[in-house]
Amino acid sequence: QKEVEQDPGPLSVPEGAIVSLNCTYSNSAFQYFMWYRQYSRKGPELLMYTYSSGNKEDGRFTAQVDKSSKYISLFIRDSQPSDSATYLCAMSANTGGFKTIFGAGTRLFVKA
Amino acid sequence: SAVISQKPSRDICQRGTSLTIQCQVDSQVTMMFWYRQQPGQSLTLIATANQGSEATYESGFVIDKFPISRPNLTFSTLTVSNMSPEDSSIYLCSVERVQAYGNEQFFGPGTRLTVL
Repeated sequence: QKEVEQDPGPLSVPEGAIVSLNCTYSNSAFQYFMWYRQYSRKGPELLMYTYSSGNKEDGRFTAQVDKSSKYISLFIRDSQPSDSATYLCAMSANTGGFKTIFGAGTRLFVKA
Repeated sequence: SAVISQKPSRDICQRGTSLTIQCQVDSQVTMMFWYRQQPGQSLTLIATANQGSEATYESGFVIDKFPISRPNLTFSTLTVSNMSPEDSSIYLCSVERVQAYGNEQFFGPGTRLTVL
């Protein structure tokens, strides 16, 4: 079993839709949860960062962490064509890149 | 933030040859990270490069295959040696910055390698 599971998609939605992206994980020691966005021909960039359980909102983006279920989500409201990218979940037990485990990424297409 | 550049941006190579990828950061950093991103697979850490010491390799990666140099605090190279088609991938350089909430990773644009 992989430490982090993420559906690679692709996920195609119309503009304005609410998008839900999800990851499950197996290591209960994970405490730091991140979502990265990666545009084509670019490196990943950090989108959201959450510590432990709960919700975090930033504009149209909401990150949720449910540690009891080992499940994290990223919601995108009022999706735009510019949101078309690959979204990678990532998590770690300690802050530090060498401890971060990434999901495979979900490709999202938002159609105008 | 951190501005990271990589060279080359892409290359097509013949099996059995080697390719050296360069990573340049706009400011000094202690650790630099090299990742591999294969289609449909997770971003996988190859090794951590500290200036002035040997790189630390993750399980499944060895120095003979992926030698790394770290001559100063802003530069690193990763060599993919004796390449085979299975080495076709995107290779990414990464650094960390300490933020209020924890360490944030920044990535270069990647080097897209195709091995024929």
